[in-house]
Amino acid sequence: DAGVIQSPRHEVTEMGQEVTLRCKPISGHDYLFWYRQTMMRGLELLIYFNNNVPIDDSGMPEDRFSAKMPNASFSTLKIQPSEPRDSAVYFCASTAGTTDTQYFGPGTRLTVL
Amino acid sequence: AQSVAQPEDQVNVAEGNPLTVKCTYSVSGNPYLFWYVQYPNRGLQFLLKYITGDNLVKGSYGFEAEFNKSQTSFHLKKPSALVSDSALYFCAVREGKTGFQKLVFGTGTRLLVSP
Repeated sequence: DAGVIQSPRHEVTEMGQEVTLRCKPISGHDYLFWYRQTMMRGLELLIYFNNNVPIDDSGMPEDRFSAKMPNASFSTLKIQPSEPRDSAVYFCASTAGTTDTQYFGPGTRLTVL
Repeated sequence: AQSVAQPEDQVNVAEGNPLTVKCTYSVSGNPYLFWYVQYPNRGLQFLLKYITGDNLVKGSYGFEAEFNKSQTSFHLKKPSALVSDSALYFCAVREGKTGFQKLVFGTGTRLLVSP
């Protein structure tokens, strides 16, 4: 298995632009997570899905952030409009509900100028 | 609500010496505890976990961790450090309830192993 795949690996954009981050979980995993990592706040859980349904989005910072999972093999995290304080590394992770081990993607480094 | 604390931002150790990265936790009921490692420009990788049973858990790359219920700790250890062990280490906890529970991660401890 190729593991969790994220794209793009790096994204540089200007304030006010829309940003879309993509994730392909490991095949057969029924949970998908979006995390954000910054020096100031560490690793934060933004939202997670079970069987493509959002379960807990309490970590989503504000309405500018939205996430979707249209099918078992694809999820997006969208920021519209983006702001400089959104600059961070965004990780996607997946797991099978029968285990507790989360498998992380390589992350997307977002820079908002 | 569950939480985990990693009291050291950085741990420095010489290659060949034993290393310890500390973690304490707070959770209702029985804890499920985890260690993850993050190498530069990479995602987190699972190292080991404690669910139940033997208090000493062995994991990847020669790492082990000891669960201590009385001290609510789950320190990560390795008998002999390698320069390649230099990375960011995260402790995580979840409640041992039936069904899926979220993981709560600590702030991370940077391990620096000098040659």
